[in-house]
Amino acid sequence: QVTLKESGPGILQPSQTLSLTCSFSGFSLSTYGMCVGWIRQSSGKGLEWLANIWWNDDKYYNPSLKNRLTISKDTSNNQAFLKITNMDTADTATYYCARGHNSGFDYWGQGVMVTVSS
Amino acid sequence: EIVLTQSPTTTAASPGEKVTITCLASSSVSNMYWYQQKSGASPKLLIYSTSSLASGVPDRFSGSGSGTSYSLTINTMEAEDAATYYCQQWSSNPLTFGSGTKLEIK
Repeated sequence: QVTLKESGPGILQPSQTLSLTCSFSGFSLSTYGMCVGWIRQSSGKGLEWLANIWWNDDKYYNPSLKNRLTISKDTSNNQAFLKITNMDTADTATYYCARGHNSGFDYWGQGVMVTVSS
Repeated sequence: EIVLTQSPTTTAASPGEKVTITCLASSSVSNMYWYQQKSGASPKLLIYSTSSLASGVPDRFSGSGSGTSYSLTINTMEAEDAATYYCQQWSSNPLTFGSGTKLEIK
């Protein structure tokens, strides 16, 4: 059974760095063709892809976030991580991690709400 | 960046009615993916590689298309299908989603 669960600080102040953890089970990020992606959704808005990390450690980022993103993984502990620097109120959103491969993002976490407020 | 434009933005259908949602890409993509998101829930994969049904998805859902034009069809609307639907492309980075189609039950 594949499950993913996001964890994060909940609230942080503008200019701080957001650190998110995706803890997963039921698959390995060392399996060929597998990736974990991060996607966010502002309240009442659509989905915005942020980054993917692949089984071979290839990383892809959304250029709209202009080098603020760092994705990484700990394969042995079944975790993926996302850091976003210089957080702003516009980054307030629910952040999801999801398992991905050539068949799309087929399993999603429940999401973690992150609020940026002074 | 490939922009995905969904239409309609909002629609409503009666039980048993056929529903079609369209996704137009600003450049040609090799495949399209479709997700369903119910209120307060995470997105759920419905269709992958344009026309393949994800595991556990009822066969009243289907996908089709090629190039820059793709569609998701619900053959016979059911109350449980009320949700927001998103298309998504993996063909080029950045990966992008459509802005969503909200489907309501009449």
